[in-house]
Parts: sequence; C-alpha cells; structure tokens
Amino acid sequence: AQKITQTQPGMFVQEKEAVTLDCTYDTSDPSYGLFWYKQPSSGEMIFLIYQGSYDQQNATEGRYSLNFQKARKSANLVISASQLGDSAMYFCAMREGHQAGTALIFGKGTTLSVSS
Amino acid sequence: GAVVSQHPSRVICKSGTSVKIECRSLDFQATTMFWYRQFPKQSLMLMATSNEGSKATYEQGVEKDKFLINHASLTLSTLTVTSAHPEDSSFYICSAPGIAGGYNEQFFGPGTRLTVL
Repeated sequence: AQKITQTQPGMFVQEKEAVTLDCTYDTSDPSYGLFWYKQPSSGEMIFLIYQGSYDQQNATEGRYSLNFQKARKSANLVISASQLGDSAMYFCAMREGHQAGTALIFGKGTTLSVSS
Repeated sequence: GAVVSQHPSRVICKSGTSVKIECRSLDFQATTMFWYRQFPKQSLMLMATSNEGSKATYEQGVEKDKFLINHASLTLSTLTVTSAHPEDSSFYICSAPGIAGGYNEQFFGPGTRLTVL
C-alpha cells in the first residue's frame, strides 16, 4: 500500500485564487512528520511547510497552510492568493518516527499550473 | 539555513563509462545522507542511505554494484554510476538531515541531471 497518496496529477488555478492540493498518508507510527515541497522546472526541491504528528495547530508559512486532519490521515496544502510563480510540481512527503536519519517517503506529486 | 551542494549539476556521458556525483553538506556535518532518483514527471525514489564510515544501505531493487556509494567524511558522500547505460539517465538528488525550526528537516541538493548516450 502506498504510504503517501496524492490523487491530483494536475491542478489548474487562476492568479489570486486559492488552491488546495490533497495528500493522504498511511502509517502506524504515532510519531511522524509531514512535509510539502515545491519543485520548479529547474529541479531544486524547495521546502514549503512542515507538520509534526503531535502538533496541535495547523502549520502556516506565509501563503502556505497545511490542513492537518489526523483522524482522516490527511495533510492538504492550501496556497492562498496564487501567483504565476507558483506553477510547479508539488510533493507531499512523510518521515516516520522522529529520528533525523530516516528518509522521506514521497507522493507522486501534483503539477500546479497558475494562469493569469 | 543549511546548504547541500551537488556536483556536477549536469553530465552527459557515453554508454559504458562511469560517472561520479558528489554531495556535500557545506555548513553542517551529516553522518547520514540520502540518494534519490527521479525520472521525468515522476516522484523521488529513495535509492540508498549513505552512512559515514560504514556501508550504504540500498533499497530493494537498486543494484549496489552499479550504484556505488562512498561516505568518505562527515560532509561528503559520492554516488558513482558504473558502466552507465541510457536507462540510467535520470535526475539524481541527495539530501542530508538536519535541525531547522526545532524539528528534523531534510536539506536537498540542487540535483544532478545525468544523460547517458
């Protein structure tokens, strides 16, 4: 079974609109971390936001917020006021456990296209 | 924030040759580094975990004799693609774990695009 599921291969949004990118995860470890990364065409992985499994509040970073629903095992990324520069591939990832030396497991990604 | 570099950023080689990719943590020490491979428009797939001073741990299906990993120091891990073939053409990304904002994060290198002719 997939540990990270991103069901939207592609999303289209107009500038200044908000968009939600879906992510569900599967783990039996009570301690885990959830990450969102942006990957533009250059290939670099740009960290956007992090949510720990014990965090009580949803994470926010500027225009990015994470809608964390632990019981449903979902961690959707919300981008408010989309900009043309937001066009990129977006990956949801999970680290099981709290140790730093554990690799991330990535979803298949969602390609976001922002139009003017 | 912590910086991870990769060299080269892009390499083109002939089939049958070997290619070495370096991954460096510039301002922090990394006893562990991770190597990922990404095909166009696909996800990052973990290839192996590189451990300083010991053997790398390879994921199932990754040929350890083909993808040689050496973690020579606390700031350098290398991936050597031996006898490269066109099917090895891919985007290779390394990462190193570190602490940022009070939690364990992964710092990614900019990636190396390998094209095997």
